[in-house]
Amino acid sequence: EIVLTQSPGTLSLSPGERATLSCRASQSVSSNYLAWYQQKPGQAPRLLIYAASSRATGIPDRFSGSGSGTDFTLTISRLEPEDFVVYYCQQYGNSPRTFGQGTKVEIK
Amino acid sequence: EVQLVESAGGLVQPGGSLRLSCAASGFTFTTFWMTWVRQAPGKGLEWVANVKEDGSQKNYVDSVKGRFTISRDNAKNSLYLQMNSLRAEDTALYYCVRGYTYMLYWGQGTLVTVS
Repeated sequence: EIVLTQSPGTLSLSPGERATLSCRASQSVSSNYLAWYQQKPGQAPRLLIYAASSRATGIPDRFSGSGSGTDFTLTISRLEPEDFVVYYCQQYGNSPRTFGQGTKVEIK
Repeated sequence: EVQLVESAGGLVQPGGSLRLSCAASGFTFTTFWMTWVRQAPGKGLEWVANVKEDGSQKNYVDSVKGRFTISRDNAKNSLYLQMNSLRAEDTALYYCVRGYTYMLYWGQGTLVTVS
């Protein structure tokens, strides 16, 4: 099983700042099959990024993904008030599918 | 519009059983793998199980193997999760999700409490 470790656990930033979230895999993710999700309180997760760097339909371009192998990054270029929530990475290159433990982005 | 609607979960005693259902609409159900993902209160996401389009292949996370069974009825556009020998650590919001890879469409989730 691939273990995904997200860091930091909590990221304290101000609106307008840049956020950089990390997801590290315990072994190489096949074909860079890594996705990022955003979850707001009381809602189901929303897909932001798939295949490490492809934005899902309707996702603002301030969200971008990068990385390969075992190291992946989600970048939010300029934080909007609605972006201060929790983010998860997920790998789907191997079975079982696994998620990271999440990064909470909070207002500083 | 893709819709995934889970049946009501509920409160069950440890060792008990519960069956979750998910009604799918707005897409051709028979052409997609389906998945269950759960989230314990205040915790992260955990992939639980998935099933192939025709039901011929099923995969489970180790912690539920031998206790949970995923199935589908393509004639009814429905996904199921039979949960037996439930434990306190199975308490979670259970999401029905379309797909085998990344997860674009999610249900609203149904709460299962084992206590």
